[in-house]
Amino acid sequence: GAVVSQHPSRVICKSGTSVKIECRSLDFQATTMFWYRQFPKQSLMLMATSNEGSKATYEQGVEKDKFLINHASLTLSTLTVTSAHPEDSSFYICSASRFSGENTGELFFGEGSRLTVL
Amino acid sequence: LAKTTQPISMDSYEGQEVNITCSHNNIATNDYITWYQQFPSQGPRFIIQGYKTKVTNEVASLFIPADRKSSTLSLPRVSLSDTAVYYCLVGDLAGNNRKLIWGLGTSLAVNP
Repeated sequence: GAVVSQHPSRVICKSGTSVKIECRSLDFQATTMFWYRQFPKQSLMLMATSNEGSKATYEQGVEKDKFLINHASLTLSTLTVTSAHPEDSSFYICSASRFSGENTGELFFGEGSRLTVL
Repeated sequence: LAKTTQPISMDSYEGQEVNITCSHNNIATNDYITWYQQFPSQGPRFIIQGYKTKVTNEVASLFIPADRKSSTLSLPRVSLSDTAVYYCLVGDLAGNNRKLIWGLGTSLAVNP
């Protein structure tokens, strides 16, 4: 099946630094990728929709200047957490959609990236 | 966007069949029903997807009644490794701006 790879799986950084997380679709072209954040024992919260070649669409309450998203190619989207603070510590997950046909498809998820800001 | 309701948690034993029901009363005509499994510190993994009636694959079955206001994920003969959170999602899969609302899911604990 299709594979979405996320890197790094874990990152620890100091407060005030920026962290980049990569999301790659390994065997299919993804025109759209989604970025989620998940806090412990909570569900996935959609942060933004990343569209190849255009600006990302952010969900309400998500600061676009803090969470920079770049989708430069059909197989790569990046999320940069700028000037990270301890409250940004979370599990970040990306997903890519592949359509199987009319009105059907599947979301493939990356392995997730655990960010810890000290 | 259709909201889903499913039990917060379930307990089972190895070898038993587990059925997790999800309610989605305001499902739209174009919406599909998809179930995902998530282990701790991992991304969700696709289990099964359906529109109506019954769908079966190598790991699960999905039962959808005619009114489509609910669905039941059936896991045959669960093992300890099936302990995970199971999410039911309902949405229109066409187009590039698909958004799925993630509930809290059902935390399934399989005991020896």
